[in-house]
Amino acid sequence: EAQVTQNPRYLITVTGKKLTVTCSQNMNHEYMSWYRQDPGLGLRQIYYSMNVEVTDKGDVPEGYKVSRKEKRNFPLILESPSPNQTSLYFCASTIGSLSNEQFFGPGTRLTVL
Amino acid sequence: KQEVTQIPAALSVPEGENLVLNCSFTDSAIYNLQWFRQDPGKGLTSLLLIQSSQREQTSGRLNASLDKSSGRSTLYIAASQPGDSATYLCAVSQPGNTPLVFGKGTRLSVIA
Repeated sequence: EAQVTQNPRYLITVTGKKLTVTCSQNMNHEYMSWYRQDPGLGLRQIYYSMNVEVTDKGDVPEGYKVSRKEKRNFPLILESPSPNQTSLYFCASTIGSLSNEQFFGPGTRLTVL
Repeated sequence: KQEVTQIPAALSVPEGENLVLNCSFTDSAIYNLQWFRQDPGKGLTSLLLIQSSQREQTSGRLNASLDKSSGRSTLYIAASQPGDSATYLCAVSQPGNTPLVFGKGTRLSVIA
C-alpha cells in the first residue's frame, strides 16, 4: 500500500531533550516536506527536500533540523525542544514537483513540557 | 503573499442535504488547488486535485470547481452523510519552491 508513515504518533517530552520524528514514504517520491499545524494558524511548512541531500527552509524553520540521506526517509530533528514547539506535525511527499498531488502522513502529536 | 480563506469556519447540516464549502485565494498564479479531509486527531486525506488549467474535478459525491481568475474554489458534497463529518481544508500550490498555502478549514458536522 502506498503510504507515508511517521513515528512516533504521540510524544510527550521535556524542554531541551533532543528528539527525532521519523518519516518514510514507499512511493519513490522526490519531494518531501514537514508541516506543523496549530489552532488558529493552520498548516505551515517547516522544511522541505527536493531530493536526496537537497533540503531548504520553509516558513517556520527555527528550532528544527532535517536530513535527507535516502530518498524514502526525511527525519525531523528537534535539538533542544521548547514548549512553543508543542504541535501536530505532518510529513508529506509528492512526485516530481509541487504541481502534483501531495500525500500526507498520519501526524505526530508532540507535547513539550 | 498568497492567502487562502475558507468560509464558513464551521457548518452543521442535517443528513441528506447538498452543501457547498468555499475557498478563496488572493493570488491567481497557482499550479493547482487541492481539497483535503482531516478527521479529528488524524492526518490529511487528499480528496480532489484541480490543476490550474481545469475547471472542475469529480469523485463520487464530491465535485470541486475552480475559477482561477476570481480566486475561488468550491467543494460540493451531494447527499451528505454523518460519515462526511470532518474538517475540510483547501490548499494552493504556487510557482517556484514555495510551500503549499492552506486555508484554516471548514469543520463540517452532518447530523443524522
